[in-house]
Amino acid sequence: QKEVEQDPGPLSVPEGAIVSLNCTYSNSAFQYFMWYRQYSRKGPELLMYTYSSGNKEDGRFTAQVDKSSKYISLFIRDSQPSDSATYLCAKQGGSARQLTFGSGTQLTVLP
Amino acid sequence: EPEVTQTPSHQVTQMGQEVILRCVPISNHLYFYWYRQILGQKVEFLVSFYNNEISEKSEIFDDQFSVERPDGSNFTLKIRSTKLEDSAMYFCASSEPQRTGDGYTFGSGTRLTVV
Repeated sequence: QKEVEQDPGPLSVPEGAIVSLNCTYSNSAFQYFMWYRQYSRKGPELLMYTYSSGNKEDGRFTAQVDKSSKYISLFIRDSQPSDSATYLCAKQGGSARQLTFGSGTQLTVLP
Repeated sequence: EPEVTQTPSHQVTQMGQEVILRCVPISNHLYFYWYRQILGQKVEFLVSFYNNEISEKSEIFDDQFSVERPDGSNFTLKIRSTKLEDSAMYFCASSEPQRTGDGYTFGSGTRLTVV
């Protein structure tokens, strides 16, 4: 069973749309959840980080974690063409420092 | 803003050769990592390194791979006897010891092509 599963996309939306990106995970020991953005041929860049159930907001981005259903979401409001990238969810659990990534969702925001 | 620097950005090597990928982590970070991403696939953890020794490694990180911190600034990944399937982007990352997932900084990667 894959530890982190992510909607594969690709996803294409018009500028200004609300984007919803989703992941599920299978191991309840995971404590920390991250969303990374990755532009083509670049390293992952941290967008959002959370360790508890509920919502965390940062500007146009909201991360949502539901530990009871093992569901992680990222919402992007007023999406911009510059948001076009691959979005990766990741988790880190217990005392381990390694990150486990989802497969990524490629997002294109059309002007 | 501090960066993790990786060199070279692209390396082409013949199958069977040894390669060394180099990284300069952020200066006050004490945990160092290597990840790889085969084209079209997930970013995968290879190894973490702390206090001059490996702290965690994945099943991918077999005897073909080794890591080293040869001096106070560099962190290297050596791949011996490269195979075609080693072709991937290799990302170095570093983090502060007291930080968890929010403390990672990734480099821009080295694209390794084995021919």
